[in-house]
Amino acid sequence: SAVISQKPSRDICQRGTSLTIQCQVDSQVTMMFWYRQQPGQSLTLIATANQGSEATYESGFVIDKFPISRPNLTFSTLTVSNMSPEDSSIYLCSVAVERGYGYTFGSGTRLTVV
Amino acid sequence: GENVEQHPSTLSVQEGDSAVIKCTYSDSASNYFPWYKQELGKRPQLIIDIRSNVGEKKDQRIAVTLNKTAKHFSLHITETQPEDSAVYFCAARGAGNMLTFGGGTRLMVKP
Repeated sequence: SAVISQKPSRDICQRGTSLTIQCQVDSQVTMMFWYRQQPGQSLTLIATANQGSEATYESGFVIDKFPISRPNLTFSTLTVSNMSPEDSSIYLCSVAVERGYGYTFGSGTRLTVV
Repeated sequence: GENVEQHPSTLSVQEGDSAVIKCTYSDSASNYFPWYKQELGKRPQLIIDIRSNVGEKKDQRIAVTLNKTAKHFSLHITETQPEDSAVYFCAARGAGNMLTFGGGTRLMVKP
């Protein structure tokens, strides 16, 4: 299965600032996904990041707040912009291997906004 | 879009007993159903999955069953051990190859 390196692992940020999270995959993958996991909750899909095209956002998430880049088939970034305490959460990237099966996750970024 | 319901939200069993977690999904086009185990502070780890052309799959103490007609699937853990204690998530893959997750089940195995 693919190995994903995600960083930073955690950060404490001031409200109104932005944080960019990076995910690097050790193999080429077509689709990458970004999730948010609020404390004690399930995983909610933010957007799907496809190389060479705009990311597709889920209901409740907008590009201005969560801009995503996907410059190649092994890398993606998610930016959390103009942060507020409500953005405090764990953010995870995920990829599908084996032709759409066996989704695996990065180690997550624990974000605290103060 | 897809909607996945998971029950129970918490489950406490005695070591050695079996545990069953159930999920239902809404999109009949969903064709792939993975299960993840998440320990505190760690990423979700895939423990077993099943594709829509299979009714049951087993891997040692873990099994998953799928009923496409009823649109539900279940995780079965036999001979539970304290290290099985974690949060378990079911998921369904629908349109766009996106996974939709259930709400999670906190499993506690008492020694």
